[in-house]
Amino acid sequence: AQSVTQLGSHVSVSEGALVLLRCNYSSSVPPYLFWYVQYPNQGLQLLLKYTSAATLVKGINGFEAEFKKSETSFHLTKPSAHMSDAAEYFCAVSPYYGNNRLAFGKGNQVVVIP
Amino acid sequence: DVKVTQSSRYLVKRTGEKVFLECVQDMDHENMFWYRQDPGLGLRLIYFSYDVKMKEKGDIPEGYSVSREKKERFSLILESASTNQTSMYLCASRGQGGVHTEAFFGQGTRLTVV
Repeated sequence: AQSVTQLGSHVSVSEGALVLLRCNYSSSVPPYLFWYVQYPNQGLQLLLKYTSAATLVKGINGFEAEFKKSETSFHLTKPSAHMSDAAEYFCAVSPYYGNNRLAFGKGNQVVVIP
Repeated sequence: DVKVTQSSRYLVKRTGEKVFLECVQDMDHENMFWYRQDPGLGLRLIYFSYDVKMKEKGDIPEGYSVSREKKERFSLILESASTNQTSMYLCASRGQGGVHTEAFFGQGTRLTVV
């Protein structure tokens, strides 16, 4: 089964500093990849998705992610953190072939320090 | 605007009760999912359904069952609630077609079993 690994459950970043959240997938065939964000007391919303059209994907709120097949990675970045970026972030994977099952990583809780 | 609606935001139930969590989507999606979210464990898939009356077990199906009698509605059933089922439950729906079909989430139901 497809799976994703997100390291470091809590990530602290200073306001204005780079945000980097790592996601590695396990699959012999590159899957479909997504990043979701969850603000307190809310459901998940899509940040961005890998569509195979381009390896660098731009999402909402200034986030972007780069797909690297050789590293089986899809890391999320934002050049300059804002206080409003404090949230939980999840990487998700869905198989390229077969069913539409969607599996999530354990998430990163991002804290932005003023 | 696409919508996934969960019937309750908060529920408190007693041990041994039969509990129904309801989810409705208005996007005519084939696939619907139930996840459980716990701190440090991310989202874990309980069950998903790829068509009316069709279902597959996820990673943690024990103690749960599901029902999908109509395309727009997917119910999660706790046959006999236990305290270890206290958690946040998230419903999602997703269309067919792989790469362009992200999942849409409801607001979540926070269930407490006492």
